[in-house]
Amino acid sequence: TQLLEQSPQFLSIQEGENLTVYCNSSSVFSSLQWYRQEPGEGPVLLVTVVTGGEVKKLKRLTFQFGDARKDSSLHITAAQPGDTGLYLCAGGGGADGLTFGKGTHLIIQP
Amino acid sequence: DAGVIQSPRHEVTEMGQEVTLRCKPISGHNSLFWYRQTMMRGLELLIYFNNNVPIDDSGMPEDRFSAKMPNASFSTLKIQPSEPRDSAVYFCASSFADVEQFFGPGTRLTVL
Repeated sequence: TQLLEQSPQFLSIQEGENLTVYCNSSSVFSSLQWYRQEPGEGPVLLVTVVTGGEVKKLKRLTFQFGDARKDSSLHITAAQPGDTGLYLCAGGGGADGLTFGKGTHLIIQP
Repeated sequence: DAGVIQSPRHEVTEMGQEVTLRCKPISGHNSLFWYRQTMMRGLELLIYFNNNVPIDDSGMPEDRFSAKMPNASFSTLKIQPSEPRDSAVYFCASSFADVEQFFGPGTRLTVL
């Protein structure tokens, strides 16, 4: 079974600060996805990374896939209250089911 | 596009009762997934279908759980009999080929 460990589990910071959350595994993934989930809703895909060492940017969010394709990080610059949510990483996907980490609960305080 | 539709959004039932959760995937998608989310275990894949055929049900916790997909536009997840430990949010997701999975809003199930 492929497991994804996310850290930290909870993070509360002030608006304007920077932060990084991590997703680690002992297994190699062909691709890795990051989702954000808001209360009462399902997860929504933010990005998919497929190449070792790949870096993708989505406005203030920067996603990196480790060279060995076993880990990934999400960096948020100048966090805003709208960034609050549960951030989930997931491996696999497409025609197969996703394996999810337990997520990082992020709170950005105004 | 209405997205993935799930019903009901909330279900409260008593232990021992049968519960049926429903999902309508996005039109044209050929894969459908059922997930369960709890604080303790996170988001877990229960079963997924490809072209209406169950491919992997290894995540179904026990025989009390069953899922069907009679056609490309409808799937059900049934729990019979339900137990308090089944309380969770159940998500349905659909996808086409190797493109992203789209999740529904979930059904929050409470078994008393």
